[in-house]
Amino acid sequence: DAKTTQPTSMDCAEGRAANLPCNHSTISGNEYVYWYRQIHSQGPQYIIHGLKNNETNEMASLIITEDRKSSTLILPHATLRDTAVYYCIVRPQGGATNKLIFGTGTLLAVQP
Amino acid sequence: GAGVSQSPSNKVTEKGKDVELRCDPISGHTALYWYRQSLGQGLEFLIYFQGNSAPDKSGLPSDRFSAERTGGSVSTLTIQRTQQEDSAVYLCASSLATSGSNEQFFGPGTRLTVL
Repeated sequence: DAKTTQPTSMDCAEGRAANLPCNHSTISGNEYVYWYRQIHSQGPQYIIHGLKNNETNEMASLIITEDRKSSTLILPHATLRDTAVYYCIVRPQGGATNKLIFGTGTLLAVQP
Repeated sequence: GAGVSQSPSNKVTEKGKDVELRCDPISGHTALYWYRQSLGQGLEFLIYFQGNSAPDKSGLPSDRFSAERTGGSVSTLTIQRTQQEDSAVYLCASSLATSGSNEQFFGPGTRLTVL
């Protein structure tokens, strides 16, 4: 079972920041928060991951609350090409298997 | 460089037939995964290969499903006696086992339709 809860859908105006929330209240100490997205008719694409510190890369920023029970993915300047389903996943890094357990994700619709 | 490739991109088959789906991972990636995505559903893990270790087959839905990875590179997912509920997009991913992010790179998928 997915260990995360995300809103089913969100809208965002083009050029504005998109803030996608994720609840993971049962996260364990050794589990990381990963974000992937899936653009229509394509395979999922890795975005970012973190443990407890906020992270930023060329695609997005990840803000994790101090208690680690929730996080927010931020796309600073959303474009139409960012329209996709965004998946928040928690899992241990390394270990016997690195399988990803996907939930239903958030469909982000960027509006012109 | 080249990403993960899968073939065929589309496959239509009749119920009861066997099908083989192929995945070519990124060169040098030791970990390989199969997932499937049914219409309107999320992605479901099927099987995981890591180097010479025994594969994690915990996600295979029935004994009609099997997969192998020859020479630590190309993988084939075989579905025997296909059923209509097997219709889905089958996605392959690979990763560097030593990658700090364990980022998985996905292929474009094979869309399987069982009539």
